[in-house]
Amino acid sequence: EDQVTQSPEALRLQEGESSSLNCSYTVSGLRGLFWYRQDPGKGPEFLFTLYSAGEEKEKERLKATLTKKESFLHITAPKPEDSATYLCAVPMKTSYDKVIFGPGTSLSVIP
Amino acid sequence: NAGVTQTPKFRVLKTGQSMTLLCAQDMNHEYMYWYRQDPGMGLRLIHYSVGEGTTAKGEVPDGYNVSRLKKQNFLLGLESAAPSQTSVYFCASKGPPGLNEQFFGPGTRLTVL
Repeated sequence: EDQVTQSPEALRLQEGESSSLNCSYTVSGLRGLFWYRQDPGKGPEFLFTLYSAGEEKEKERLKATLTKKESFLHITAPKPEDSATYLCAVPMKTSYDKVIFGPGTSLSVIP
Repeated sequence: NAGVTQTPKFRVLKTGQSMTLLCAQDMNHEYMYWYRQDPGMGLRLIHYSVGEGTTAKGEVPDGYNVSRLKKQNFLLGLESAAPSQTSVYFCASKGPPGLNEQFFGPGTRLTVL
């Protein structure tokens, strides 16, 4: 069965303390991966699409990387406004048009 | 552009009552989705649509029905609400087929007593 897991479940960082979030999946023949950000009380907001292993994407303090088995979201020198839940999602084996979401990592950045 | 909108934002139902959640998008997207989000379980797909007049079941369709009579609207119905349907419901839309991102609405928080 296709599964997406994320770790850690929650992460508290001091402002400026860099770290990484992990997204692991069991989908065979990975065909890309998405990262989303979700603020409390709001819908997820798209961050990145990674299309193949070895690819990297950057946006401000965030950098997403992809291997054949997992993806990392690296956060460099985070600020309090980076506090949110970060979700990853992978296309289902049967269709690019449906995705499986991971449970998310809740990030808190303390001033 | 408003993007994806959902109504209502909050609703409280009693067990056995029915209701319809409305999703509207102004991006001319073909694909539309309904998800539910529960603590620790992530987003789970309820039903989806690949175009006007089409619907299909997702991962957790039981107890829900959907309709897509107009391209811009996707309705989610609960015929007889149960406490297990207490959740936050998100609608999303996607443009072309293939590996393209989904755009989400702000969500509807539903409580079933």
